[in-house]
Amino acid sequence: GNSVTQMEGPVTLSEEAFLTINCTYTATGYPSLFWYVQYPGEGLQLLLKATKADDKGSNKGFEATYRKETTSFHLEKGSVQVSDSAVYFCALSPTYSGSARQLTFGSGTQLTVLP
Amino acid sequence: DTEVTQTPKHLVMGMTNKKSLKCEQHMGHRAMYWYKQKAKKPPELMFVYSYEKLSINESVPSRFSPECPNSSLLNLHLHALQPEDSALYLCASSQGAAGGRETQYFGPGTRLLVL
Repeated sequence: GNSVTQMEGPVTLSEEAFLTINCTYTATGYPSLFWYVQYPGEGLQLLLKATKADDKGSNKGFEATYRKETTSFHLEKGSVQVSDSAVYFCALSPTYSGSARQLTFGSGTQLTVLP
Repeated sequence: DTEVTQTPKHLVMGMTNKKSLKCEQHMGHRAMYWYKQKAKKPPELMFVYSYEKLSINESVPSRFSPECPNSSLLNLHLHALQPEDSALYLCASSQGAAGGRETQYFGPGTRLLVL
């Protein structure tokens, strides 16, 4: 089956520090990969996505590259801000098969950025 | 526009009450989803509607009853809930195209408290 393994949290950084949150996946075929962010008290927001190998998704200074050879989709940001404090979920959407239409999520990583 | 709306934002109900959660999207998407999310955990899939037909029911108790009146609306009817059902309920939608690998867009959620 499909699975997503995400870096354990919580992660605490100082403002302007470099961020990496690791994400690896197991899936058949060629899934799409996503990072979702959930700010306190809110729903999930799509942060970025990549749909094929070597694609780089980017948004709001965050980047992640779809690496098929290492089955990874690590999230990075060069300089975090206090406003980036949130829970980050890595997820995959598999190639459609039968009635399956499910996102597989990682466990989530809580990020706290201190001023 | 990638907006999914949900009402109400907050809901408190007793174990004998009947209430409904509502979800709406105007992106022309043909797949809609209900998720349940406990604090600091990834969302858990409850139901999937594809072209207004229920395609996935993840063994959800019958006290949760989904309904898809048309391609833009999704309801979740609640009856005789238990305190452990208290959670954030998220609605999502995606295009519903063959081949999978789709992006799901989430609403802000309804935070439910069962007393």
